[in-house]
Amino acid sequence: EPEVTQTPSHQVTQMGQEVILRCVPISNHLYFYWYRQILGQKVEFLVSFYNNEISEKSEIFDDQFSVERPDGSNFTLKIRSTKLEDSAMYFCASSAGTAPVYEQYFGPGTRLTVT
Amino acid sequence: RKEVEQDPGPFNVPEGATVAFNCTYSNSASQSFFWYRQDCRKEPKLLMSVYSSGNEDGRFTAQLNRASQYISLLIRDSKLSDSATYLCVVNMDGGSQGNLIFGKGTKLSVKP
Repeated sequence: EPEVTQTPSHQVTQMGQEVILRCVPISNHLYFYWYRQILGQKVEFLVSFYNNEISEKSEIFDDQFSVERPDGSNFTLKIRSTKLEDSAMYFCASSAGTAPVYEQYFGPGTRLTVT
Repeated sequence: RKEVEQDPGPFNVPEGATVAFNCTYSNSASQSFFWYRQDCRKEPKLLMSVYSSGNEDGRFTAQLNRASQYISLLIRDSKLSDSATYLCVVNMDGGSQGNLIFGKGTKLSVKP
C-alpha cells in the first residue's frame, strides 16, 4: 500500500538555525500539506500546496516558513530561523484530490527539537 | 472561530464493550468529515470518512447529523488493539485545498 514517507524521523537543532524537513507524498497524489503537533496538543494545519504553489496557509505559517517541491517526488518544509516554540512533530500529508471526500494520508512525522 | 469539539475522555472499557464517541463542529458549511486514530507519538491514520447517510466498516459505525453539526463514532466488540486516541476531523472549506481541522481527540483504553 502506498505511503507518505518523511525524513528525518528526528531532527535536533539549535535556536536560530535553518532546518529542512523532507516528505515524499504518495506518487499519484496532487495535493500536499504540512501539519504540526506540539506535544500534548492537537494537530494544526500549516500549509497546503497544489500545482507548485501554496493554496492556503494558516497564521502559524509566517515568513520563517517556506515550502517547495524541488522535483517530481519531494515536498519540503523549511524553517529559516528556528525558535524554541517550533519544537513539535511535523506531519506531511497528501491527497489524490478526488471527490467527494478528499481524504488526506499522513506520513510518520519528523520530531523537531529546538534547543 | 472554526472549532471541532470532542468528548474529553479518557474512556476505559473492557474488551468486548461497545463505546461511542461524539463530536461537534462549528462551521455549518463544512464539507467533509473524518475519524482518524492516533497512537502515542505516531501519525494520524485515517479510520473512516463520514458520509451523510452514515457508514459502517466492520465493527466501526460513523454517523453525521448536519442539522445538529454532530458526528459520532461507534465501536462494537472493542479489542485491545483499539486502544488509541480517536480524532474527529473536519474539512471546513471543502475540496482538496481545504485544510483539516482536528479535535483534541478522545483517548480510548481497552482493558483485558
